[in-house]
Amino acid sequence: GQQVMQIPQYQHVQEGEDFTTYCNSSTTLSNIQWYKQRPGGHPVFLIQLVKSGEVKKQKRLTFQFGEAKKNSSLHITATQTTDVGTYFCAGSQLTFGSGTQLTVLP
Amino acid sequence: GAVVSQHPSRVICKSGTSVKIECRSLDFQATTMFWYRQFPKQSLMLMATSNEGSKATYEQGVEKDKFLINHASLTLSTLTVTSAHPEDSSFYICSALPPRTRGTDTQYFGPGTRLTVL
Repeated sequence: GQQVMQIPQYQHVQEGEDFTTYCNSSTTLSNIQWYKQRPGGHPVFLIQLVKSGEVKKQKRLTFQFGEAKKNSSLHITATQTTDVGTYFCAGSQLTFGSGTQLTVLP
Repeated sequence: GAVVSQHPSRVICKSGTSVKIECRSLDFQATTMFWYRQFPKQSLMLMATSNEGSKATYEQGVEKDKFLINHASLTLSTLTVTSAHPEDSSFYICSALPPRTRGTDTQYFGPGTRLTVL
């Protein structure tokens, strides 16, 4: 079955530093979704990528979908304390990555 | 955006009892809802897909007689954990799929239910 790996598992950054999480699938994906889960909260949809090589931006967040549609990344520029949470990618078969827990130190 | 509610938010029960969790889509009709389980600091594990008017589809390793799912209407799906045991203690989250627009498969998640079985 589809497996989605995500790295790193944890990331601590100083406020203002950049952050990137990577997602790799064992199979080609028809689309990939990214979610953010704040501590104690539930996942909130961020974005869906569909096209090979697609790049989308949401303010300080940049999402990329690989050319082969098997990997994706989320990059946050100049992190803020409000970015704290766990970021999950999810493949088209509702397979979630293990998540990257981001801590931003003020 | 689409709103999904979940009730109760927390439940503590004794071992051997059954617990029902409700998932409602408040401002849209959802023919498909999903039930996930999340252990502390871990990812979401899909348990089953709930389809309105038909039997749920369970993921491998999930006991359908243990986790009963009923999707009786376009806005309500329920998960009943039968004869709960301490190992069933977890965070249960539902999500709903609104009518497909612009080719997206966006799921909207409920706030989750934290189940503690003593």
